Amino acid sequence: AQSVTQLGSHVSVSEGALVLLRCNYSSSVPPYLFWYVQYPNQGLQLLLKYTSAATLVKGINGFEAEFKKSETSFHLTKPSAHMSDAAEYFCAVSLSGGYNKLIFGAGTRLAVHP
Amino acid sequence: DSGVTQTPKHLITATGQRVTLRCSPRSGDLSVYWYQQSLDQGLQFLIQYYNGEERAKGNILERFSAQQFPDLHSELNLSSLELGDSALYFCASSPRQGSNYGYTFGSGTRLTVV
Repeated sequence: AQSVTQLGSHVSVSEGALVLLRCNYSSSVPPYLFWYVQYPNQGLQLLLKYTSAATLVKGINGFEAEFKKSETSFHLTKPSAHMSDAAEYFCAVSLSGGYNKLIFGAGTRLAVHP
Repeated sequence: DSGVTQTPKHLITATGQRVTLRCSPRSGDLSVYWYQQSLDQGLQFLIQYYNGEERAKGNILERFSAQQFPDLHSELNLSSLELGDSALYFCASSPRQGSNYGYTFGSGTRLTVV
C-alpha cells in the first residue's frame, strides 16, 4: 500500500527565505504525487502534480517540486517566501493508472515571519 | 470558487442524530470523493463514486453512507452521530476515475456534534 510521510508538522521561515517542505512516499509501483495547499477555512487547492512526465514540476505561486525516485522524495520548494504563503501544505500519493484514491500526508503548517 | 459546492458550510447537531451533507461536483466531473479531516486523524479518504457507482471505500464507518445521483451530485449521510464525528468533511471531484487529473476540492462542511 502506498503512504506519504511529511517531515515536520510546523515549518517557520522569514519572508524572502527559501521554503523547503519535505515529503517522502512509499509505493510498490510508480506513483502519482501531488502537493496541495489549504488556507484557513478553505478547501484544498492543487499546487502541482507529478504524473511520470518531467521530474521537476512547476506549480502555481512560484512553487516547484522534484521527483527523486532514488530517494523516494517529492520535496516542495519556493526560492523566496511571501507572507501570503502561510498555510498548511499536504503531500499526497496515488498509484498510477486506473482509479486510485489520493492518500494524504499529515500536513505541514508553514509560518512566514516578517 | 473551485466549482465544487458543498452545503451546508456549518452544521451543529446533537449526539445520536442523523445529518446529510451535499456535494455538487465541478461541471463535467464524473468522480466524487469524500474525505474527513480531523485534528487527530488528518485527511482520511471515506468513499469514491464514479458516474453513480461506488468505486472505492476507505475508512468509512458503517454508520456513514453515501450515494451519487443521476445528476452527479452526491450526499454523505452520517447517522447515530458521536462526539468523535466532529470534523471537516470535504468533497472533491475529478473528470474521470484516474487521480492523475488531480482533485478539485470544495470548501467543506464543518460538523460539530454536541
